[in-house]
Amino acid sequence: ETGVTQTPRHLVMGMTNKKSLKCEQHLGHNAMYWYKQSAKKPLELMFVYNFKEQTENNSVPSRFSPECPNSSHLFLHLHTLQPEDSALYLCASSQAPGGLYEQYFGPGTRLTVT
Amino acid sequence: AQKITQTQPGMFVQEKEAVTLDCTYDTSDQSYGLFWYKQPSSGEMIFLIYQGSYDEQNATEGRYSLNFQKARKSANLVISASQLGDSAMYFCAMRVLTNFGNEKLTFGTGTRLTIIP
Repeated sequence: ETGVTQTPRHLVMGMTNKKSLKCEQHLGHNAMYWYKQSAKKPLELMFVYNFKEQTENNSVPSRFSPECPNSSHLFLHLHTLQPEDSALYLCASSQAPGGLYEQYFGPGTRLTVT
Repeated sequence: AQKITQTQPGMFVQEKEAVTLDCTYDTSDQSYGLFWYKQPSSGEMIFLIYQGSYDEQNATEGRYSLNFQKARKSANLVISASQLGDSAMYFCAMRVLTNFGNEKLTFGTGTRLTIIP
């Protein structure tokens, strides 16, 4: 595997379900990110992890819970979501925080909340 | 606050023609970076090209070039000799530092480019 991978690619869940999104990067990067992409809106940064430590929560509701067990893996745990949470969730990584390094994105998980 | 504006929601271009995708930005920072990403229907965001605010030369990567006009705060993407595989959403983004000192990307709303055979 190379680059940034995300699983599952598609997820349909009810509002009472609990599910998790997984992201894995094979680039040796130190920073990982969760973004949300809703229809007709710019990408929104959700969380930032640097060296496994969460360094930013961009006012994300508590029904989204990130976890970063190591620099290569990032999870987004979902529970009691709302229909407006339906979106494409993109994971990204970069070489180091604070530098002018491009971010590499995964293919995303398309989430539908019913 | 930093902002990216892409005024072209959609563009149709004949194959093999050059195309310019517009991007203007607003920031009070002296040091910043500008990126262009391509997002095909598969969803993955693919990094295309980068321009630093202190770079005097316009960035080029193969068929992609960035027309950077700092005084006008514009960073247009030029694709030469367009191909059918160039059909995708294109996002302009700016690197900014958050209040926590992290790097994040602020994205525009994107331009959907369709190449016509």
